[in-house]
Amino acid sequence: EAGVTQSPTHLIKTRGQQATLRCSPISGHTSVYWYQQALGLGLQFLLWYDEGEERNRGNFPPRFSGRQFPNYSSELNVNALELEDSALYLCASSHGQGRLQETQYFGPGTRLLVL
Amino acid sequence: AQSVTQLDSHVSVSEGTPVLLRCNYSSSYSPSLFWYVQHPNKGLQLLLKYTSAATLVKGINGFEAEFKKSETSFHLTKPSAHMSDAAEYFCVVSDRGTNAGKSTFGDGTTLTVKP
Repeated sequence: EAGVTQSPTHLIKTRGQQATLRCSPISGHTSVYWYQQALGLGLQFLLWYDEGEERNRGNFPPRFSGRQFPNYSSELNVNALELEDSALYLCASSHGQGRLQETQYFGPGTRLLVL
Repeated sequence: AQSVTQLDSHVSVSEGTPVLLRCNYSSSYSPSLFWYVQHPNKGLQLLLKYTSAATLVKGINGFEAEFKKSETSFHLTKPSAHMSDAAEYFCVVSDRGTNAGKSTFGDGTTLTVKP
């Protein structure tokens, strides 16, 4: 069974540009989660999508947005990039509905560098 | 509100000696608790999870953790460390309500194993 995949593995952008990160969940999983792992800030929850809808959001500005497609893959968009957006962005998937006991399975991440 | 505190940012042990990684949590509900491991340049891997069944949870690679509600702790242990255990370990709490789908990660504990 293939795991969670993310693309690209690395992304270099300049300040003010937009970045698009992609995630494909494990087959059969309907929930996708996005996290930011920035140096010195740890892993921070960004967004949760389930069945195409945004279900919960972390404490990030609106320029962090995303969507989930009918095949349950997901896209994270970061607009008006700032230097502090440089981080490893992790995607995770689970069977769905954010049930309490659900295990989230993580992808390898996309490393975003903003110059 | 939910939060996690990993009490040690770095732990160093000798190969063959016991490992103890400490984690305290705070949650408004009865939470689910997880331990993940992240090896250098690799994705997050689930070690074990607590979901209100047995308070002593056994995971992969000989790790186990005990849920102690009275102490709000979920410490990770292993009887005998192996060189391959050297990695970063994250304690994670997940509950419900406004935190549904949102996993809160501790800051991580880096485990060093000396030969």
